[in-house]
Amino acid sequence: AQSVTQLDSQVPVFEEAPVELRCNYSSSVSVYLFWYVQYPNQGLQLLLKYLSGSTLVKGINGFEAEFNKSQTSFHLRKPSVHISDTAEYFCAVSVGAAGNKLTFGGGTRVLVKP
Amino acid sequence: GAVVSQHPSRVICKSGTSVKIECRSLDFQATTMFWYRQFPKQSLMLMATSNEGSKATYEQGVEKDKFLINHASLTLSTLTVTSAHPEDSSFYICSASGQGNQPQHFGDGTRLSIL
Repeated sequence: AQSVTQLDSQVPVFEEAPVELRCNYSSSVSVYLFWYVQYPNQGLQLLLKYLSGSTLVKGINGFEAEFNKSQTSFHLRKPSVHISDTAEYFCAVSVGAAGNKLTFGGGTRVLVKP
Repeated sequence: GAVVSQHPSRVICKSGTSVKIECRSLDFQATTMFWYRQFPKQSLMLMATSNEGSKATYEQGVEKDKFLINHASLTLSTLTVTSAHPEDSSFYICSASGQGNQPQHFGDGTRLSIL
């Protein structure tokens, strides 16, 4: 079975400052990795995914993440946040195929302050 | 591309009624659809996985007679909450994945409130 741990439940950050959201996973087999964002009262939007290849993945809205197999991590970063980045962020993994069942982390709430 | 539409976005109804939620993939064929439940300030909890033309696979602890799932076509899955009670009030989200190594794409969710 897989598990995903998001180490920070809340991250306050000032506008235009950088942010890093940490994600670690546990799995006995290779995984596919995802970051999703959820705005209030909405579903999830895919920010980026790691399927294979380069370990540095760039996504939408200026976000990027780096897959580190030895540390079983997939941390999400953005060099300069905006007020509109205030949302809940979920890290998730699947095995076998990217469209298979997802195992989610507990989520990290990002609050961007002016 | 890869748009998933979920309807309705909000439902308020009396205890004892049944509620149907639709999930449609608008621009791709969804070989697999998933139904999640989300409690306030928590992560998503997978309820069931459905493949087109097959019976849904329910997660442990989810009552299949309570939460009826139908995936009759490659673009539509429905979740029916039967005889809903206040404890069924929650945010329900569907997702869909298509052929090839493509990730899940999510609907905008349905907020269900049972009075």
